[in-house]
Amino acid sequence: SQTIHQWPATLVQPVGSPLSLECTVEGTSNPNLYWYRQAAGRGLQLLFYSVGIGQISSEVPQNLSASRPQDRQFILSSKKLLLSDSGFYLCAWSAGLAELEQYFGPGTRLTVT
Amino acid sequence: GESVGLHLPTLSVQEGDNSIINCAYSNSASDYFIWYKQESGKGPQFIIDIRSNMDKRQGQRVTVLLNKTVKHLSLQIAATQPGDSAVYFCAERSRAGGTSYGKLTFGQGTILTVHP
Repeated sequence: SQTIHQWPATLVQPVGSPLSLECTVEGTSNPNLYWYRQAAGRGLQLLFYSVGIGQISSEVPQNLSASRPQDRQFILSSKKLLLSDSGFYLCAWSAGLAELEQYFGPGTRLTVT
Repeated sequence: GESVGLHLPTLSVQEGDNSIINCAYSNSASDYFIWYKQESGKGPQFIIDIRSNMDKRQGQRVTVLLNKTVKHLSLQIAATQPGDSAVYFCAERSRAGGTSYGKLTFGQGTILTVHP
């Protein structure tokens, strides 16, 4: 069966520090991968998606970047965090070209102080 | 622009009652819809989905109804239990620019509280 992992689960970082959040998927090949951000009490905002290794599309301009160095690994990064980067970050995957349903990871709670 | 929204941000019900959570969407080109359940501090969990060529789909204790005429989606939960308490999101999928991936647009969510 497929599983999706995210780490760390929680993170507290000072303003101006770098960020690296990791997401890995097991049990599937060539998944579509997604990074979402969820502000407190709000819906999900799509940040990035990837349909393959090295292929990243950004949905909104921001202080963050994403990379996909391996088929089942998706990384969310920042060189200098802003207070507004605080939130709940969710990684998701969907099956290749027949994708419909997205499966979410447990999320990372990021607090920028 | 396209949007997916919810009529009721909060819903409180008694255990055993049936719950109905509503969602409006504005993109008539959307061809797929999903309901997710999100418990506090966790990632969204798939509940049920429906394609635009259907108007009703049933799962275990849940039913999704799709009314394309008025662009309305609803989630019905039968015999609601305290464990159903969570935030419920609807999401729509519309293919943009001929891409092959399934971009989902999420609504803001409805908080369902079930009282014992």
